Amino acid sequence: AQTVTQSQPEMSVQEAETVTLSCTYDTSESDYYLFWYKQPPSRQMILVIRQEAYKQQNATENRFSVNFQKAAKSFSLKISDSQLGDAAMYFCAYSGGSNYKLTFGKGTLLTVNP
Amino acid sequence: GAGVSQTPSNKVTEKGKYVELRCDPISGHTALYWYRQSLGQGPEFLIYFQGTGAADDSGLPNDRFFAVRPEGSVSTLKIQRTERGDSAVYLCASGGLRGGELFFGEGSRLTVL
Repeated sequence: AQTVTQSQPEMSVQEAETVTLSCTYDTSESDYYLFWYKQPPSRQMILVIRQEAYKQQNATENRFSVNFQKAAKSFSLKISDSQLGDAAMYFCAYSGGSNYKLTFGKGTLLTVNP
Repeated sequence: GAGVSQTPSNKVTEKGKYVELRCDPISGHTALYWYRQSLGQGPEFLIYFQGTGAADDSGLPNDRFFAVRPEGSVSTLKIQRTERGDSAVYLCASGGLRGGELFFGEGSRLTVL
């Protein structure tokens, strides 16, 4: 079974600084997808960034980028120029095989200090 | 609608009662998922529908939980004989493509007294 591990229950960053959230996963599949979702207090999960395992190039979405290390099964999220609105729970998630379902980590609570 | 809609937003019930939680996915999305999120945890998979059929119900914790999607759009999660341990936020998500983005609703918070 696939597992997703987020080893940082909480992180904090100063506004305008950069922070990196860690994620590791375990799988025997070769074809899969990795995601970072953000969950603000409103509870609605919002996709931040997505990575296809067969692509070597790291995904980037504006201030958000990932460091995807397939051999190490690592998928970290870097947030540059942090903003107050980035404060939320961040979940790393895996989707693979013929099943569409997402397997989530336990999340990292990010605090942004003004 | 423009997004995934879940009702009710909050539900308080007594132990032993029956509850129904409704999910209205994004129009045209064939895949629909139910997840359960306990306090301080990540969402845990319950069941996945592809169209009208349950393609994977391996996450349902026991036979008190059941979900339907009779016409391939709206889905209802049904919980019989509720227990205090069922208290959680129940999230619904829909999507159209394998490996693609899932769109989540704001969840239904269930509290069993």
